[in-house]
Amino acid sequence: EIVLTQSPGTLSLSPGERATLSCRASQSVSSGYLAWYQQKPGQAPRLLIYAASNRATGIPDRFSGSGSGTDFTLTISRLEPEDFAVYHCQQYGSSCSFGQGTKLEIK
Amino acid sequence: EVQLVESGGGLVKPGGSLRLSCAASGFTFGSYTMNWVRQAPGKGLEWVSSITSGGGYIYYADSVKGRSTISRDNAKNSLYLQVNSLRAEDTAVYYCARVALIAAAGTVGALDIWGQGTMVTVSS
Repeated sequence: EIVLTQSPGTLSLSPGERATLSCRASQSVSSGYLAWYQQKPGQAPRLLIYAASNRATGIPDRFSGSGSGTDFTLTISRLEPEDFAVYHCQQYGSSCSFGQGTKLEIK
Repeated sequence: EVQLVESGGGLVKPGGSLRLSCAASGFTFGSYTMNWVRQAPGKGLEWVSSITSGGGYIYYADSVKGRSTISRDNAKNSLYLQVNSLRAEDTAVYYCARVALIAAAGTVGALDIWGQGTMVTVSS
């Protein structure tokens, strides 16, 4: 099983700042099959990025994904108030597994 | 509107069983691989099981293998998860989710549509 480790656990930033979230895999993720999700309290996750760098339908272009192999990054270029949430990464190249999440909170 | 609605959760005693349902609407359900994902209170997401569009391929996480059965009825646009021998560690919100056609990789993939979840609590 591929274990995904997200860092940091909590990220404190202000609106307008740039956020960089990391997802590291215990072994190479096949074909870059890595997705990112946003989850707000009491809500289901929302797909942001699939295949490492492709934005899902309706996702603003301030969200971008990058990476390959074992290291992946989600970047939010300029934080909006609605972006403060928990972010999860998921690999689907070898079965399926999720990271433990990164909480993005307002500083 | 594309929608998934789960039901069937509740309070169950350890060792008990539960059958979760997920009703799909607004899309051609029979064309999509479907997954169950759960989230324990205050914890991250955990993939549970997947089933391909025709039901021919099924996979389970080790944590539920041998005591869970995923199934679907494409005529009824419905997905199911039967979980037996429930344990305290099965306590979670259970989500059904659709694998995006554009992001599928076999029986799993990126999940583009999620239900609102149904809470399962295992406690005596």
